Amino acid sequence: EVQLMQSGAEVKKPGEFLRISCKVSEYTFTTRWIGWVRQTPGKGLEWMGIIFPPDSGTVYSPSFQGQVTISVDKSVTTAYLQRTRLKASDTAMYYCVTLRNDYGDHFFDNWGQGTLVSVSS
Amino acid sequence: DIQMTQSPSSVSASVGDRVTITCRASQVISSWVAWYQQKPGKAPKLLIYAASSLESGVPSRFIGSGSGRDFTLTISSLQPEDSATYYCQQANSFPLLTFGGGTKVEIK
Repeated sequence: EVQLMQSGAEVKKPGEFLRISCKVSEYTFTTRWIGWVRQTPGKGLEWMGIIFPPDSGTVYSPSFQGQVTISVDKSVTTAYLQRTRLKASDTAMYYCVTLRNDYGDHFFDNWGQGTLVSVSS
Repeated sequence: DIQMTQSPSSVSASVGDRVTITCRASQVISSWVAWYQQKPGKAPKLLIYAASSLESGVPSRFIGSGSGRDFTLTISSLQPEDSATYYCQQANSFPLLTFGGGTKVEIK
């Protein structure tokens, strides 16, 4: 069973830096694409990007390219999502996901428990 | 960008009823459509991929179908535990993967 364990809720001020994490098993870390999905009441579910940990190859949604950075630390089999200069509009639930590529189809077959990020002055 | 428009936005039905949710794409797309179920306070869960393939462990009352622009998720016999919000997602334009706005299913 694939388990994705996310870091806890964050409360931030506008302009601050955010990094949230997603701890995964060694097997998942070496075989699966890991990504992030944002959920807000206003815009619903939005896919942000993915990373392949063995070579750190990344693909970003055009909507989030240049806005966030996805990275990994192989020593602790953990993926990260970071954002500089937070805005109130970054207030959302962020989910860590695994992406399955099935003959060209792409979908999210495992989800972490979510990390709630609140940004307010 | 490919937009996915779900309808209805909410539906209320009785246990045992057949419930159908529709997702319409803004253009003709391949059959790379997935469906997810999200219960309150929980992460979404994959139900269907490739428009009609049932994810392992998902009850067979969940049926996906469709092609072109129109895709449907049918719950053939609604159960109390099916109360949730359902989302579609298209993968035709990877890396731009987009979700529908969601359909809330309530039990009468």
